Formats: sequence, structure tokens, C-alpha cells
Amino acid sequence: ETGVTQTPRHLVMGMTNKKSLKCEQHLGHNAMYWYKQSAKKPLELMFVYSLEERVENNSVPSRFSPECPNSSHLFLHLHTLQPEDSALYLCASSQGRTGGWETQYFGPGTRLLVL
Amino acid sequence: GENVEQHPSTLSVQEGDSAVIKCTYSDSASNYFPWYKQELGKGPQLIIDIRSNVGEKKDQRIAVTLNKTAKHFSLHITETQPEDSAVYFCAANSPSGTYKYIFGTGTRLKVLA
Repeated sequence: ETGVTQTPRHLVMGMTNKKSLKCEQHLGHNAMYWYKQSAKKPLELMFVYSLEERVENNSVPSRFSPECPNSSHLFLHLHTLQPEDSALYLCASSQGRTGGWETQYFGPGTRLLVL
Repeated sequence: GENVEQHPSTLSVQEGDSAVIKCTYSDSASNYFPWYKQELGKGPQLIIDIRSNVGEKKDQRIAVTLNKTAKHFSLHITETQPEDSAVYFCAANSPSGTYKYIFGTGTRLKVLA
């Protein structure tokens, strides 16, 4: 176990549903990340939070809405998704002190299927 | 733009043989290169990393080499075992984004018993 947990592990939703993904890290880190992992594509960084402030937003559609209430928790709120949004959504955390030099620790991911 | 190319996409080796995975990065300012292993149903796990001030790093059966001039870095696994079977990702940090890594597309390694 890496100290990063994600719930739920699997999620099936219709295009009109609203759901949320949850991530929690038990490592005392200050930076948290959302990635999208699709088949045969590199991991795509979606959002980064450092000390609860969003520091990266990689042109992600507004149907994905992140929330970071504290340095241990990160949410990804989903609404009116499209079938092409089906993927594995990974959460990661890092110490948040040195930025690009840091090791990122990943959770197990949430497998999302949009029907 | 920034990118990391990774080869091969799939690799099959006999148990006990060595496996080599190669990556090339585009941004010469990148200075941190982690390697991750992802097993089925799990998230990527860091297995080894290297910073640009060294050319090689080894941890038991795993080693990484870095050639800054050519912008190449490679993962070497010796004496492969069935439990090494997984998808391996290389990454390079992006100096243009403080927390940003650019990942390769992954190599699926199969170790045949």
C-alpha cells in the first residue's frame, strides 16, 4: 500500500448522472494530483493542488470539477460526462516542497465507465 | 511540445533473462526521471528514479541509466522473475510546470516461466 486510497474503485454512470471520486492520502503530503489513464495513451495530468490551492489545470473540460478541502483529501466531481470519459482515474500525492523533483505516490485508481 | 517516447510497447522475455526499456525525452531542461511499475488493478508504483546529476543508479536487480546528451534513459531488469510482469512507465519532469511529469506510453513486460 502506498498510503493513498481512492473510492470507489469502480463506478458506472449514465451521461446525466452526478458522481464524485474521493482520494485520501495518509503520508502528510501537501500536493495532490488527478490523472486520467486511458488505454494506449500516456497518463494525462488533469489537476494539481498544493496546500489546497489549485496550481495546475490542464485544459480539462468543466464537466470535471476538483475540490481540495484540506491537504489530505481530494475530490473529483463529475457531471454530464461523455462515453469517451471512461478511463481509470488516478490520484497521487507528493511532499509539495520541491515541485518537479518530487516522487509522486499513486492510489489504486477508480475505474469509470460512462454509458 | 514536451513529450517522452517509450519503447518497446510490449516485451516478452524468458525467466532469468534481462529486460531493457528505453525512453527519450524532448525537454533538455528535464532533470528528474522516475520509473513506475503498474500491476493489474493497481496504481503505478515507483520502482527507481534518477536525477540528472548522475549517470546510473542501481537497486538490486533494477538499474537505470541516463544519457543527458542524447536525452535517453533506460530501465534494466536483470534475472527477471514472473512477478516482474507488469506495465512499466517512464517519466520526465517538466520544467515548464512545477508539478508536471510527462509520462511515456508504457511497456507491457511479460516474463515467461
